[in-house]
Amino acid sequence: GAVVSQHPSRVICKSGTSVKIECRSLDFQATTMFWYRQFPKQSLMLMATSNEGSKATYEQGVEKDKFLINHASLTLSTLTVTSAHPEDSSFYICSASQGAADNSPLHFGNGTRLTVT
Amino acid sequence: GEDVEQSLFLSVREGDSSVINCTYTDSSSTYLYWYKQEPGAGLQLLTYIFSNMDMKQDQRLTVLLNKKDKHLSLRIADTQTGDSAIYFCAFNTGKLIFGQGTTLQVKP
Repeated sequence: GAVVSQHPSRVICKSGTSVKIECRSLDFQATTMFWYRQFPKQSLMLMATSNEGSKATYEQGVEKDKFLINHASLTLSTLTVTSAHPEDSSFYICSASQGAADNSPLHFGNGTRLTVT
Repeated sequence: GEDVEQSLFLSVREGDSSVINCTYTDSSSTYLYWYKQEPGAGLQLLTYIFSNMDMKQDQRLTVLLNKKDKHLSLRIADTQTGDSAIYFCAFNTGKLIFGQGTTLQVKP
């Protein structure tokens, strides 16, 4: 089946630094990838939709200058948390669809646990 | 926007059946999904049902869809300890919208 690889799985960084998270579709091309954030014991919150070759679409309330998304190829999207602060500590999960995003199941990476000290 | 409700917790004994329920407001989703999340991991697609179906069975999993009542359920037969996880229903309205998740606890 479709596999989405997310890296790193866990990262600890100091406040003020930037962290890059990678999301790769391993055996399929993904025109669209999605980035979610999950707080403890809560559901997933969609942060942005990453479109290959164009700018990402951010959900209301998500700072695009804070969470930089680059979808440089059909198999790779990156999320960079810039000038991270402790409140950015969270579980970040990416997902990708094999087919049309509104008509195909989404496959998820294993998530990245970000801790900002 | 879409409003999706799930009960937060379910506890069953090993070998029993588990039924996880989900209600929604927006009927435009072509597919309705069930995902499983184990601690510290991403989401695993368990099964999905096409919106014009009433029922889908896949081994121990049975999905029931009642469009009139806007109710989706997931039944796990012969529940095992390895089924302990959080289960999310989800709907695709151009982007995937998740319920709050139901924590399933399976007691040996």
